[in-house]
Amino acid sequence: KQEVTQIPAALSVPEGENLVLNCSFTDSAIYNLQWFRQDPGKGLTSLLLIQSSQREQTSGRLNASLDKSSGRSTLYIAASQPGDSATYLCAAFNTGGFKTIFGAGTRLFVKA
Amino acid sequence: GAVVSQHPSRVICKSGTSVKIECRSLDFQATTMFWYRQFPKQSLMLMATSNEGSKATYEQGVEKDKFLINHASLTLSTLTVTSAHPEDSSFYICSAIRDREFGYTFGSGTRLTVV
Repeated sequence: KQEVTQIPAALSVPEGENLVLNCSFTDSAIYNLQWFRQDPGKGLTSLLLIQSSQREQTSGRLNASLDKSSGRSTLYIAASQPGDSATYLCAAFNTGGFKTIFGAGTRLFVKA
Repeated sequence: GAVVSQHPSRVICKSGTSVKIECRSLDFQATTMFWYRQFPKQSLMLMATSNEGSKATYEQGVEKDKFLINHASLTLSTLTVTSAHPEDSSFYICSAIRDREFGYTFGSGTRLTVV
C-alpha cells in the first residue's frame, strides 16, 4: 500500500531564503509524481508534474526532483517570497490504476 | 491548459436538505473524475472515483447513499450530499484527469456548511 510522507509539516523562513520541501513514498511503482500548491480555503494548483522516467522538472523559481529508487522527491524553491506562503502537497500516481495518494502537506510561511 | 470549474464555491444549507456540487472540465474530456473531502489542516481524503457512464467507485467508509455521484458526460460530474447534517460540513474538491500523462487538474473547491 502506497504511503506518502511530507517533511517538514510546517516551515517558516525569511524572505529571500532558498528552501527544500521533502516528499517520500513507499512504493516505487509510480507513474508520475505531482506537486501542488493550496492556498487557504482554495483548491489545488498544479506546480510541477514529473514522469517516472524523468529526474527533474523546473518552472521559474521551482525545481522538483524525483528519485524512484530511494522513494523521494524534493521541491526546491529559490529566493522565496511572501506570496509563496501556502500549503504544498505532493501526490504519487501509482501504476496500478488511477488512484493517487497525497501527502499531508507542508505549510510554508515566508516572512517579509 | 486544462481547467476544471467547480461550483458553488460556498454553500450554506439547513440540516436535512440536499446539496449538489458540480465539477466541469472546461477544455478537455475527462475520462475520470475524483471527489475529495478535506478537513481543516488535513490532507485530501479520496471519497470516490467516477467514470463517465458507469457507477462511481467509493472508498471504504464513504456512504454511497449519502454522497451520490453522477458522471453524466465526459465533462461533468456531480456530487449530491443527501440529507445533510452538520458533520457533513467540510471542504469538497473535485479533480479530473484526461490522461495519466498529464496529471490531475483540480477544481477550486466547495465550502459546505450545514446549519
